[in-house]
Amino acid sequence: DAGVIQSPRHEVTEMGQEVTLRCKPISGHDYLFWYRQTMMRGLELLIYFNNNVPIDDSGMPEDRFSAKMPNASFSTLKIQPSEPRDSAVYFCASSSPGTGRFEQYFGPGTRLTVT
Amino acid sequence: QKEVEQDPGPLSVPEGAIVSLNCTYSNSAFQYFMWYRQYSRKGPELLMYTYSSGNKEDGRFTAQVDKSSKYISLFIRDSQPSDSATYLCAMSAEGSARQLTFGSGTQLTVLP
Repeated sequence: DAGVIQSPRHEVTEMGQEVTLRCKPISGHDYLFWYRQTMMRGLELLIYFNNNVPIDDSGMPEDRFSAKMPNASFSTLKIQPSEPRDSAVYFCASSSPGTGRFEQYFGPGTRLTVT
Repeated sequence: QKEVEQDPGPLSVPEGAIVSLNCTYSNSAFQYFMWYRQYSRKGPELLMYTYSSGNKEDGRFTAQVDKSSKYISLFIRDSQPSDSATYLCAMSAEGSARQLTFGSGTQLTVLP
């Protein structure tokens, strides 16, 4: 199993530019989560999907952030326009169905730097 | 007050020491408890998973849950330099749609 795949691994962009982060969950997992991690605030849940449908986006900081999941094997997190305070590591995680177990499996993350 | 409190450390121990990492929580609905290990510049990886109260052992790692005290622990025996990482506790409640609440993480360094 390849695990959760994220791209790009590193992104450096200028303030005002659009940034798109990508995630491929583990095959067969029906929950997908987007997190942001910073030293100050730790790991924050931004949004999560179940069966490709957004369930809770209350963690999305502003309207500049949007996420989509067009199919079971792909999701994007977009920031438009980006700002320096968006600099963080963004993780995608997925979870398996039906077993009653709640653990999530994380990708390697995208380190975003906005200058 | 945060739902999950975790001492951020940093914690530094000599190789071979027993390490104790702890989290306290306030939500009595939490029933699923996890420990994740995160190496520098990597994603968190699941280390231990327990349901409700009790102990679970896996090699050098033991997870304990005391729901009456709302307290969970992770013990590492015979610690190794390769255990140097940040350890995050995470927990979830029934009907929470798989949302996890994470602690802030404890940074551990095991000195050779």
